Amino acid sequence: GQQLNQSPQSMFIQEGEDVSMNCTSSSIFNTWLWYKQDPGEGPVLLIALYKAGELTSNGRLTAQFGITRKDSFLNISASIPSDVGIYFCAGLNYGGSQGNLIFGKGTKLSVKP
Amino acid sequence: DTGVSQDPRHKITKRGQNVTFRCDPISEHNRLYWYRQTLGQGPEFLTYFQNEAQLEKSRLLSDRFSAERPKGSFSTLEIQRTEQGDSAMYLCASSSTPTQYFGAGTRLSVL
Repeated sequence: GQQLNQSPQSMFIQEGEDVSMNCTSSSIFNTWLWYKQDPGEGPVLLIALYKAGELTSNGRLTAQFGITRKDSFLNISASIPSDVGIYFCAGLNYGGSQGNLIFGKGTKLSVKP
Repeated sequence: DTGVSQDPRHKITKRGQNVTFRCDPISEHNRLYWYRQTLGQGPEFLTYFQNEAQLEKSRLLSDRFSAERPKGSFSTLEIQRTEQGDSAMYLCASSSTPTQYFGAGTRLSVL
């Protein structure tokens, strides 16, 4: 099925480092959502973006809805060990009879050895 | 706990058996979604209800799959004659706005 292009696929972090990841699509969306998923669990919502150009923060997390409506990025500042996990972006065109999220393949955050 | 609840969390079955999963959404949410997630992939959409009406089905939802949401409350997803390729995490989400909230999922293993 259709998926978003999410990069990087994986990255290693050292405590205190800032982290950036992004998501691009060939289609436009009117909503972008970012989730974090731990092994064996469901995705947990981090940030929701509803307007092109919107910049939203949630603690150490900041996400932006791209002006073209085809991309979004997520930044994590001053990473801590519990930030380890898989981060997913998801795009949505909300309204009418459609409502399903289109997900990227995820960015896996691991701790540097 | 007022989050999305899924039962069971894990299911192991033999090929050819039928399985049924249950999802209890957040109580005030009128929309309920089912997704499937395989290893290394993001969740993929299966089907979606608004209240009791099933509004959309993915082509991933073969004839062996059926979902119901009687009275617009909880939902069940049934897989008949399971195949090894059905092994995956089945996720349920609910919403009343664009934002969807997920349950912990049901991990299905077909032997």
